[in-house]
Amino acid sequence: KQEVTQIPAALSVPEGENLVLNCSFTDSAIYNLQWFRQDPGKGLTSLLLIQSSQREQTSGRLNASLDKSSGRSTLYIAASQPGDSATYLCAVKPGNTPLVFGKGTRLSVIA
Amino acid sequence: KAGVTQTPRYLIKTRGQQVTLSCSPISGHRSVSWYQQTPGQGLQFLFEYFSETQRNKGNFPGRFSGRQFSNSRSEMNVSTLELGDSALYLCASSGDSANTGELFFGEGSRLTVL
Repeated sequence: KQEVTQIPAALSVPEGENLVLNCSFTDSAIYNLQWFRQDPGKGLTSLLLIQSSQREQTSGRLNASLDKSSGRSTLYIAASQPGDSATYLCAVKPGNTPLVFGKGTRLSVIA
Repeated sequence: KAGVTQTPRYLIKTRGQQVTLSCSPISGHRSVSWYQQTPGQGLQFLFEYFSETQRNKGNFPGRFSGRQFSNSRSEMNVSTLELGDSALYLCASSGDSANTGELFFGEGSRLTVL
């Protein structure tokens, strides 16, 4: 059974810092991995989708990497801003079955 | 292009009642999935529909049901509500028939059961 773990559960950093969020999964047989952002009481916003054949994806200040063999993905946020404060969720697609989500990392960027 | 639309956004019910939630996917998307989000359990998969057929179902009791219409809009129903059904119910759509594409979520329906 696929399990997704995100560590740490919460993170607080000063504005301007570069940071890395971690995601690990137990079964390397995945179709893709997706990073989401969720603001309090809101839905999920898709940030980046990495297909299993890809190593990384970039969008603006965000860069996500995928290492299937080790079951790890990282989300790199450059020059963090207070507006980046949110919960970041990682989810993997294990074949023709639904997404499996981690519990998320709650990020606070302090001005 | 409009995103995924969920209605109602907020609702309050009492135990024993039933509730119907609606989801309109992104135009052209035929796959719709439903998730329940609670502080303790995180995001849990409820069901997924593609072209009016249920393609996957999560581990929830029979009180939870869903359907998809020919225009891809989807509804989920919860009967005989319990306090533990209080949660944010999220709908997501995908344009990938092979079910390997990017998922787009709506803002959710916040259900409170008293």
